[in-house]
Amino acid sequence: EVQLVESGGGLVQPGGSLRLSCAAFGFTFSSYGMHWVRQAPGKGLEYVSAISSNGGSTYYANSVKGRFTISRDNSKNTLYLQMGSLRTEDMAVYYCARENIVLMATDFWGQGTLVTVSS
Amino acid sequence: EIVLTQSPGTLSLSPGERATLSCRASQSVSSTYFAWYQQKPGQAPRLLIYGASSRATGIPDRFSGSGSGTDFTLTISRLEPEDFAVYYCQHYGNSPPWTFGQGTKVEIK
Repeated sequence: EVQLVESGGGLVQPGGSLRLSCAAFGFTFSSYGMHWVRQAPGKGLEYVSAISSNGGSTYYANSVKGRFTISRDNSKNTLYLQMGSLRTEDMAVYYCARENIVLMATDFWGQGTLVTVSS
Repeated sequence: EIVLTQSPGTLSLSPGERATLSCRASQSVSSTYFAWYQQKPGQAPRLLIYGASSRATGIPDRFSGSGSGTDFTLTISRLEPEDFAVYYCQHYGNSPPWTFGQGTKVEIK
């Protein structure tokens, strides 16, 4: 069974840093691109970042470029999102999701981890 | 960047009724790269439709997708109690940025 389990969310002050993790189970992690998508409280879905299966290509939304870094460790079946210079507008539930290039969609999502940015 | 506009913002219907949700793209897109997701409160989004009209694994056949070019539609033929949720369309092009619509909430009338 495919599972994605996020962790690392929590309360951080503006300007602070946080690292999110997404552990993958039930599929060959190294064969799939992965995405981070966030959802601010009561709002819609926003793409944050993406990484190719081998980590060689990355994408960042303009809103996080230069502050967030996506990475992956295929030996540990884990995806990461290093977040820095956090702002109140970064407060959201962060989801990791698996890219399916056959379906051309994100076919499995984790349950999300909440990031709260507040002083 | 392609902008997706969903309508209506909220749809108030009764169980058993038909729901028709629209998504309009700011420019023509390939139906290959068009998807729909369902999100219930406190849950992650779930893939419903990919390629504009193909149901994902395990999705009941009361859900159907259609459309091409700039206009796409998600239809729920007969609403079940578990279908009341928020629905998002997505353009998943072969390169970023990928975008979501702002969502349509289907609520119980």
